Amino acid sequence: QVHLVQSGVELRKPGASVKVSCKASGYTFSNYDISWVRRAPGQGLEWMGWIAPYNGNTNYAQKFQGRVTMTTDTSTSTAYMDLRSLTLDDTAVYYCARHEQRRWFDPWGQGTLVTVSS
Amino acid sequence: QSVLTQPPSVSAAPGQRVTISCSGSTSNIGNNYVSWYQQLPGTAPKLLIYDNNKRPSGIPDRFSGSKSGTTTTLDITGLQTGDEADYYCGTWDYSLTAMVFGGGTKLTVL
Repeated sequence: QVHLVQSGVELRKPGASVKVSCKASGYTFSNYDISWVRRAPGQGLEWMGWIAPYNGNTNYAQKFQGRVTMTTDTSTSTAYMDLRSLTLDDTAVYYCARHEQRRWFDPWGQGTLVTVSS
Repeated sequence: QSVLTQPPSVSAAPGQRVTISCSGSTSNIGNNYVSWYQQLPGTAPKLLIYDNNKRPSGIPDRFSGSKSGTTTTLDITGLQTGDEADYYCGTWDYSLTAMVFGGGTKLTVL
């Protein structure tokens, strides 16, 4: 069974960085992209970008370019999302999802709550 | 402001049918595959429909999707209280070179 398991709750101050991990199991990690999607309180889903574990290629949403870095470790089937220069507006639940390119997301990780507060 | 437009909320009684629309443009829905997601309160989103109208294994046939031009629709029949959730459409937008979602529709089963 395909599973994505994410790291736990994070609390950061404005200006700090956060790195969220996403460990995949049940499939060949290199065969699918991993996308990151967030949902802020009272808002909808927002796609942040994807990474292709096969070659490390990335495609970031314009809104996050320069502030996000997505990486993978194929030896442990783990994806990482690093978000820098956090503001209060970055408070959200962050999800990773296996991504069939330009088509669908399935499954999703359980989500990681990142709270940015002074 | 989302690239894809969904009604903020819909409601219907148990056993009834509800339709959720999602409208876009030729740069997204009109020329790309659409998927739909269900997000129950406090849980991660779940894939309901992919490639416009296909159901993953385990998704009941009460859920169906269709697409016509730049609009896509999710139909849910035989509504159950357990269907109360937020529903999102998603697709690729080649002008933005990004995956995009609708703003989400909150379904209430009265």
